[in-house]
Amino acid sequence: DAGVIQSPRHEVTEMGQEVTLRCKPISGHDYLFWYRQTMMRGLELLIYFNNNVPIDDSGMPEDRFSAKMPNASFSTLKIQPSEPRDSAVYFCASSLTGAGRYEQYFGPGTRLTVT
Amino acid sequence: GEDVEQSLFLSVREGDSSVINCTYTDSSSTYLYWYKQEPGAGLQLLTYIFSNMDMKQDQRLTVLLNKKDKHLSLRIADTQTGDSAIYFCAVSNTGGFKTIFGAGTRLFVKA
Repeated sequence: DAGVIQSPRHEVTEMGQEVTLRCKPISGHDYLFWYRQTMMRGLELLIYFNNNVPIDDSGMPEDRFSAKMPNASFSTLKIQPSEPRDSAVYFCASSLTGAGRYEQYFGPGTRLTVT
Repeated sequence: GEDVEQSLFLSVREGDSSVINCTYTDSSSTYLYWYKQEPGAGLQLLTYIFSNMDMKQDQRLTVLLNKKDKHLSLRIADTQTGDSAIYFCAVSNTGGFKTIFGAGTRLFVKA
């Protein structure tokens, strides 16, 4: 299996621009998670989906952030408009519920820089 | 809410054992994990332990769980420079789909 795939790996954009991050989870996994990692705040859970349905978006910082999962093999995280404080590494992870275990498989991350 | 705490840094000499500690608050935590993050990469699951276990050994890795004190540790035997990374403690509970991660412990291995 190719693992969790994220694109782009690096994104540099100007403040005010729209940014779309993409994720392809591991085939067959039924949970998908979006995290943000910064030096100051560590790893923060933004939102997670189960069977393509958003379950908990309480970690989404504000209305500028939105996430979708139109099908089992694709999810997007959109920031509009972007701000310098959104600069971080954004990780997508997926997991499969089985025997009650929830270990997550992480993608390589997208490093976002907003200037 | 659930909280997972770790010390931020640990420095050891190559060949020594490393012990990374973690405490958590939710006594219903059923699955406890250790993830490793190397520079520029995502987190990778190293090992996990069920709450009904006290210890799990996997090659150079030993996980100890003290449920009474809600304390989890990861021991790396014969630490190598390639073990330098950030190690995250994480917990989840049965029926809960969220995994709570600690802030991560940065392990430095000196040659």
